[in-house]
Amino acid sequence: DVKVTQSSRYLVKRTGEKVFLECVQDMDHENMFWYRQDPGLGLRLIYFSYDVKMKEKGDIPEGYSVSREKKERFSLILESASTNQTSMYLCASSTGGGHTGELFFGEGSRLTVL
Amino acid sequence: GEDVEQSLFLSVREGDSSVINCTYTDSSSTYLYWYKQEPGAGLQLLTYIFSNMDMKQDQRLTVLLNKKDKHLSLRIADTQTGDSAIYFCALNAGGTSYGKLTFGQGTILTVHP
Repeated sequence: DVKVTQSSRYLVKRTGEKVFLECVQDMDHENMFWYRQDPGLGLRLIYFSYDVKMKEKGDIPEGYSVSREKKERFSLILESASTNQTSMYLCASSTGGGHTGELFFGEGSRLTVL
Repeated sequence: GEDVEQSLFLSVREGDSSVINCTYTDSSSTYLYWYKQEPGAGLQLLTYIFSNMDMKQDQRLTVLLNKKDKHLSLRIADTQTGDSAIYFCALNAGGTSYGKLTFGQGTILTVHP
């Protein structure tokens, strides 16, 4: 069964802390994505990566960075967490181009910043 | 950028049909999707339609696409309590094919017994 695994389902952090959210996929997908989900706003793309060590900004990259050192792993980093980053974070992956573009999602990481 | 709009709430009785609507602005999208999110879970693809189609049927699901009006809808026949979830429409931004999608706000479907 194909899988996208997010290492932490729930995190509580303090303002100013550095936060790492990890995502691993076992489908040998080229593309990986980090979305943020907020009620009434849907999903907004933070960053995505279409290859190892490659990254591109999405629609709301401010306050975030990412790392993709291995094909299966895509990390989201909050250098200095702020309360407005309290949210649900969803990781997703997809195969390379020339297909339907279906995304496979992890179960999400709910982050609370106090 | 791309704008995708959905109404936030829909409430139906078990056994009735549900229709969830979506409007969008980017006419270059080649695929349009419906994703379902159950409580405490990530999103799962329900169905998708290619932009040169008007309709797609898959068991209880019917997708209608009106490209002229930039309107997409999802009809669920014989809605069950297990269909209660958040439904997102999404488009591949700028017609890209590698999964960079733009999502609507999500419609919370509540099914009453």
